[in-house]
Amino acid sequence: GENVEQHPSTLSVQEGDSAVIKCTYSDSASNYFPWYKQELGKGPQLIIDIRSNVGEKKDQRIAVTLNKTAKHFSLHITETQPEDSAVYFCAASPNQAGTALIFGKGTTLSVSS
Amino acid sequence: DVKVTQSSRYLVKRTGEKVFLECVQDMDHENMFWYRQDPGLGLRLIYFSYDVKMKEKGDIPEGYSVSREKKERFSLILESASTNQTSMYLCASSRGRSYEQYFGPGTRLTVT
Repeated sequence: GENVEQHPSTLSVQEGDSAVIKCTYSDSASNYFPWYKQELGKGPQLIIDIRSNVGEKKDQRIAVTLNKTAKHFSLHITETQPEDSAVYFCAASPNQAGTALIFGKGTTLSVSS
Repeated sequence: DVKVTQSSRYLVKRTGEKVFLECVQDMDHENMFWYRQDPGLGLRLIYFSYDVKMKEKGDIPEGYSVSREKKERFSLILESASTNQTSMYLCASSRGRSYEQYFGPGTRLTVT
């Protein structure tokens, strides 16, 4: 089945710096790759996603890139702010599991001012 | 706004007890999911359901069962709770063929 690896597990940056989180997946049939942000005491919330027919997608300060050949995708956050501090999860949708998602282990991002 | 609610934020149960975790969504979503979240392990899928009375096993179904008698409600059942089921449990829902999942706030279950 699908396996999603996520790195790093923790990331500390200064306010204004960029942050990059990387994920790899194993199932070449996976076709949807979302990123979720989980703030303390809350459930994860979708922040950006990308489908396998697109190489890059951007939404203000966040962007996601996908390399299908290498089976990896990345989250890029520019001009980080303290409110970006949270746990970020990547996920992939194994095609044979309908709309179920397989999540990575998460990255704890800390942005210090 | 989509709202997914879970019956309890915190729950403490004893080993061997039968535990019910309830999840309700108010957006008429077809799909519902149960995950457990543990430090360093991320979110792991326990069970999911695409329709009333239907269920599919996820990656870690052992020790759990589910019930979906109504479209808006998806229950996770621990038949005989054990200490290794101490965890954060997250419920999610999504519409039809959409991949976007909406999560509830989670239930932190402690089994002593």
